[in-house]
Amino acid sequence: QVTLRESGPALVRPTQTLTLTCTLSGFSLSTFGMCVSWIRQPPGKALEWLARIDWDDERYYTTSLKTRLTISKDTSKNQVVLKMTNMDPADTATYFCARTRGGTYYTDFWGQGTLVTVSS
Amino acid sequence: QSVLTQPPSVSGAPGQRVTISCTGSSSNIGAGYNVHWYQQLPGTAPKLLIYANTNRPSGVPDRFSGSKSGTSASLAITGLQAEDEADYYCQSYDSSLSSYVFGTGTKLTVL
Repeated sequence: QVTLRESGPALVRPTQTLTLTCTLSGFSLSTFGMCVSWIRQPPGKALEWLARIDWDDERYYTTSLKTRLTISKDTSKNQVVLKMTNMDPADTATYFCARTRGGTYYTDFWGQGTLVTVSS
Repeated sequence: QSVLTQPPSVSGAPGQRVTISCTGSSSNIGAGYNVHWYQQLPGTAPKLLIYANTNRPSGVPDRFSGSKSGTSASLAITGLQAEDEADYYCQSYDSSLSSYVFGTGTKLTVL
């Protein structure tokens, strides 16, 4: 079955770079039409779409954070990595990775999420 | 602040019907971009409820339905059940922002 699992540090210092890894199971990002997105949710707040990488290595970023984000994939490891530079306490959130279907771009499977706290 | 606006909260008694609106503009819903809906139970990851405006994934009860008209979309839930108490989010694409966006979210309370 399809599963995604996020991993990374629970605590990051301000100005540091956050690196999150999403490990995929049950599908391959090399398959036509498969995409992986990153979405975050600050405590008690709404979801925010961050980035997406597609089976053909096309990459998309939310405009407001584009200069700070890098998404990449390692198909051989079935992993997707998100890097966010210059972390700020306002970036404290639960970060989700999720499978997105190309074409209509809905997100049908989500990881459980990982809480990242930015604090000195 | 999101470009997709939802009511902060809605409520209904068991068995009743409720609707949740998602109001956008000519650069997102009004431009013809698909709207998807997600349900987030407390402390869990979101779950896909409706995709491409009106379609239900396998396993989602037919009590849930989606519609779209002009610059808005709606999620309807009939035969309300206690287990439906959750946060609900719409999602679409915005051409002005060149980004996918989520709605502001709606908390559904089953009375």
